Amino acid sequence: GAVVSQHPSWVICKSGTSVKIECRSLDFQATTMFWYRQFPKQSLMLMATSNEGSKATYEQGVEKDKFLINHASLTLSTLTVTSAHPEDSSFYICSAKGGRDTDTQYFGPGTRLTVL
Amino acid sequence: GQNIDQPTEMTATEGAIVQINCTYQTSGFNGLFWYQQHAGEAPTFLSYNVLDGLEEKGRFSSFLSRSKGYSYLLLKELQMKDSASYLCAPMDSNYQLIWGAGTKLIIKP
Repeated sequence: GAVVSQHPSWVICKSGTSVKIECRSLDFQATTMFWYRQFPKQSLMLMATSNEGSKATYEQGVEKDKFLINHASLTLSTLTVTSAHPEDSSFYICSAKGGRDTDTQYFGPGTRLTVL
Repeated sequence: GQNIDQPTEMTATEGAIVQINCTYQTSGFNGLFWYQQHAGEAPTFLSYNVLDGLEEKGRFSSFLSRSKGYSYLLLKELQMKDSASYLCAPMDSNYQLIWGAGTKLIIKP
């Protein structure tokens, strides 16, 4: 139980384009989903927290107009990186909680984004 | 402020036991998680402690002392596949996980 999927697992795009990443909880309803970014050899950085049906709460320094988050259902959240630039290249990981262990965050496998 | 202190890197031998220590300071406390993260992969959940004491789960055990702001992860019968980073993540009063850089564990034959 508590499986989270993420799609795509990797993506390469040109500078200026937008990229959408999907995060799904497969066997539980996620009351809350989280989006993280991780640069090589650095700690996880929380970007935003989203609850189903409401606007995401962004961490300080994260541009909400650049990183659009939609949490349309209890099993799906999407992160859209708009007008991507090379500095947005990173490992993006979602997590979800709301299963039987209500406080435990279960992570998706991550999406490696490379912006050329 | 909130912070986590873990050793940056540890080395151990296959078949041995290793203890990874973590001290933390948070605004409020609602438990502490340990995650394992292999290079290039997302973290996977290992354990959750909310009360003082030792929680055992197979080869892995996790200990918590809330009064000391201290936790450790104990790995027994080390295997090569245990080479990974281990992340200590306390949860603050807002139920938000606080992340450090973790401890990179290297297992040698």
